[in-house]
Amino acid sequence: AQSVAQPEDQVNVAEGNPLTVKCTYSVSGNPYLFWYVQYPNRGLQFLLKYITGDNLVKGSYGFEAEFNKSQTSFHLKKPSALVSDSALYFCAVRRLTGGGNKLTFGTGTQLKVEL
Amino acid sequence: DGGITQSPKYLFRKEGQNVTLSCEQNLNHDAMYWYRQDPGQGLRLIYYSQIVNDFQKGDIAEGYSVSREKKESFPLTVTSAQKNPTAFYLCASSPDRDGYTFGSGTRLTVV
Repeated sequence: AQSVAQPEDQVNVAEGNPLTVKCTYSVSGNPYLFWYVQYPNRGLQFLLKYITGDNLVKGSYGFEAEFNKSQTSFHLKKPSALVSDSALYFCAVRRLTGGGNKLTFGTGTQLKVEL
Repeated sequence: DGGITQSPKYLFRKEGQNVTLSCEQNLNHDAMYWYRQDPGQGLRLIYYSQIVNDFQKGDIAEGYSVSREKKESFPLTVTSAQKNPTAFYLCASSPDRDGYTFGSGTRLTVV
């Protein structure tokens, strides 16, 4: 079964510093991977996706993610964090069994950017 | 603007009562989904529909029901059989083989 793991419940970073939010995946075959962000009491917003091609994927709001097949990872990164980046971040993988376009989500990582 | 509208934003349910959460999209997406979000557990799939008049159970369908009579609409009913319904409910839609667009969610509380 396809799954993703987000090993950190919370990540703290100072504004202006680089940030990394970790995600590892387990799939059979080629993975379709996604990152979403959620602000309080809101739905999830799409940040970026990896389907195929370049291992470095660029997305919204200056975020990027690096796909690493040997380490089965898809970490979310940003060169310089902003206080407004503070939110809950979810990694997701498309399920390849059972039909349809179902996504399996990780448990989320709370990012806190401090002045 | 295209998007997904969920209503109401907040909903209170009494014990033994059925309630229905609305989800409407104008994105012309074939597929729609309902997820439940609980703190520390991420999102769990309740039901999904790939096409009008067809829907499938997700991972936690017990105590829930859905219908898909129109492409634009995918309402979720939380029945009295759902013993722990207090949660944040998210509706989403997608074209085939792409990411989701989410609604803003409905927070359901049992009183």
